Amino acid sequence: GAVVSQHPSRVICKSGTSVKIECRSLDFQATTMFWYRQFPKQSLMLMATSNEGSKATYEQGVEKDKFLINHASLTLSTLTVTSAHPEDSSFYICSARDLGGENTEAFFGQGTRLTVV
Amino acid sequence: AQTVTQSQPEMSVQEAETVTLSCTYDTSENNYYLFWYKQPPSRQMILVIRQEAYKQQNATENRFSVNFQKAAKSFSLKISDSQLGDTAMYFCAFRSWGKLQFGAGTQVVVTP
Repeated sequence: GAVVSQHPSRVICKSGTSVKIECRSLDFQATTMFWYRQFPKQSLMLMATSNEGSKATYEQGVEKDKFLINHASLTLSTLTVTSAHPEDSSFYICSARDLGGENTEAFFGQGTRLTVV
Repeated sequence: AQTVTQSQPEMSVQEAETVTLSCTYDTSENNYYLFWYKQPPSRQMILVIRQEAYKQQNATENRFSVNFQKAAKSFSLKISDSQLGDTAMYFCAFRSWGKLQFGAGTQVVVTP
């Protein structure tokens, strides 16, 4: 299957600082990328959907000013957690879909474990 | 809104045996896709199997097969000849207009 690379895999940051997570599709062009958050032993919760060249669509309850998403090219989307607090500590996962259309599957990055201290 | 329900938090199975994971969903859509994903301890999401709603034939991928009952909105996963490497969290997922909706997950533990 196609490869989605997410970086970094782990990051520790201090409260009040910002941290950026990158999601890259390595061998295909992704019109749409998705960002998820996963708490321990829980399911994936969709945070936002980003389309290349346009503003991200956030799910209800997700603060768009806190979680900044940029999808500047067909192979890169970034999630920036601004002014991070300990409650933002979580596992963040991105996924990307090929240009092929509705019947194509999404591929997932390896995830990023964020710890805010 | 679509919902996906996995009612089994954890399932244990011995090596070489068979285990079936249940999944039900609720939707008013007629065209959609259903998936089973595996998340091992590494937490990498791995696609196990997919099913298009318009296809009556149940999908099969090696030791993994599904029982898709569209009228009942049921989509169970059968793992045959279980292997230790099958130990993981398994998520059922639904997709109609791009977004994936995941169930709560079922932890599968394969014991020697």
